[in-house]
Amino acid sequence: IQLTQSPSLLSASVGDRVTLSCKGSQNINNYLAWYQQKLGEAPKLLIYNTNSLQTGIPSRFSGSGSGTDYTLTISSLQPEDVATYFCYQYNNGLTFGSGTKLEIK
Amino acid sequence: EVQLVESGGGLVQPGRSLKLSCVASGFTFSNYGMNWIRQAPGKGLEWVAYISSGSSYIYYAETVKGRFTISRDNAKNTLYLQMTSLRSEDTALYYCARAYTPDYWGQGVMVTVSS
Repeated sequence: IQLTQSPSLLSASVGDRVTLSCKGSQNINNYLAWYQQKLGEAPKLLIYNTNSLQTGIPSRFSGSGSGTDYTLTISSLQPEDVATYFCYQYNNGLTFGSGTKLEIK
Repeated sequence: EVQLVESGGGLVQPGRSLKLSCVASGFTFSNYGMNWIRQAPGKGLEWVAYISSGSSYIYYAETVKGRFTISRDNAKNTLYLQMTSLRSEDTALYYCARAYTPDYWGQGVMVTVSS
């Protein structure tokens, strides 16, 4: 399964509601996770099974979706959210999306 | 505290071999499947290989199948990646990560394939 993330680059203001998209080439059956990678750091798991928040992750992060289309939403963008976000499917094989780089405007 | 510490990286010539290790602590290593995931400089994440907790299930990305071998020693809490016939496109930061949906990651070890 191939994953296509959009946009590849997103600029938004502090406090904005931000939506990142991940689209699979086949049905992912909700086996979809989201990772945040800050510059120079290892990725961090944010969301698994489409909408389950990993322990310790702020509640402004949420996930949704079904079938082939999935979304990560940040309800109120904070400066510390600057990072690249990757989706990851584990329904059929294991694959990462190409990433969305999130910047502060 | 869960810790994963990779080692064994370095500069290697094309066609040569290298073996990476990842020592785990802070959890019961034998209860978890483990992954190797890599990231080429300035690029995205690429899953490389997975091994189940008891080594019964092993999967590889097509890009490394037949060249890389993942293994583990549960008595030593250590994950391995034997890499052979290395190519320039294998140059990357290699992470070990816990579980089928990776929840903990090491800091990575750099592998550079160049003549």
